[in-house]
Amino acid sequence: GENVEQHPSTLSVQEGDSAVIKCTYSDSASNYFPWYKQELGKGPQLIIDIRSNVGEKKDQRIAVTLNKTAKHFSLHITETQPEDSAVYFCAASRAAGNKLTFGGGTRVLVKP
Amino acid sequence: GAVVSQHPSWVICKSGTSVKIECRSLDFQATTMFWYRQFPKQSLMLMATSNEGSKATYEQGVEKDKFLINHASLTLSTLTVTSAHPEDSSFYICSALRGRAGYEQFFGPGTRLTVL
Repeated sequence: GENVEQHPSTLSVQEGDSAVIKCTYSDSASNYFPWYKQELGKGPQLIIDIRSNVGEKKDQRIAVTLNKTAKHFSLHITETQPEDSAVYFCAASRAAGNKLTFGGGTRVLVKP
Repeated sequence: GAVVSQHPSWVICKSGTSVKIECRSLDFQATTMFWYRQFPKQSLMLMATSNEGSKATYEQGVEKDKFLINHASLTLSTLTVTSAHPEDSSFYICSALRGRAGYEQFFGPGTRLTVL
């Protein structure tokens, strides 16, 4: 089955700096890669996603890049703000309607 | 759009009792919903896939007789933890897939279960 590795497990950045989280996956058939933000005591919230036919996607301060050959994808947050502090999860799935395999999560702390 | 609710948000029960958790898609139809379990400071662990009108598909190691799932309508799935024990205490989260051919999973706010 699919295996998703996520690094780093914790990330501390100064407000205004950029944060980068990287994930690798094992199943070459995976073609959908979402990123979720989870705040304490809440459910995950979809913040951005990318499909295998696209190499990069951007939404304001958040961007995701995908390298299918190397089987890795990354989340980039620019101009970080204290409200970006949360746990971020990457995930992968094979097709529409399929289950997601999650990475282990990255705890991001943005210091004011 | 794409709002998923869960009820209750938290529940405390005695060992041996059963607890039902509801997951609703409020503004879209969801033929497929998923149930996850999350331990403190850990990732989400998929328990089962719930399909409207059919039996749920459970992940390896998840007891189907202990975690009963019913997906009776396009907007509601329920998870019943039967004969709960302290080790069942956890954060249970559902997600709903928007559309029959949808990719995006939208998550509920989670239910904190504590079994005394």
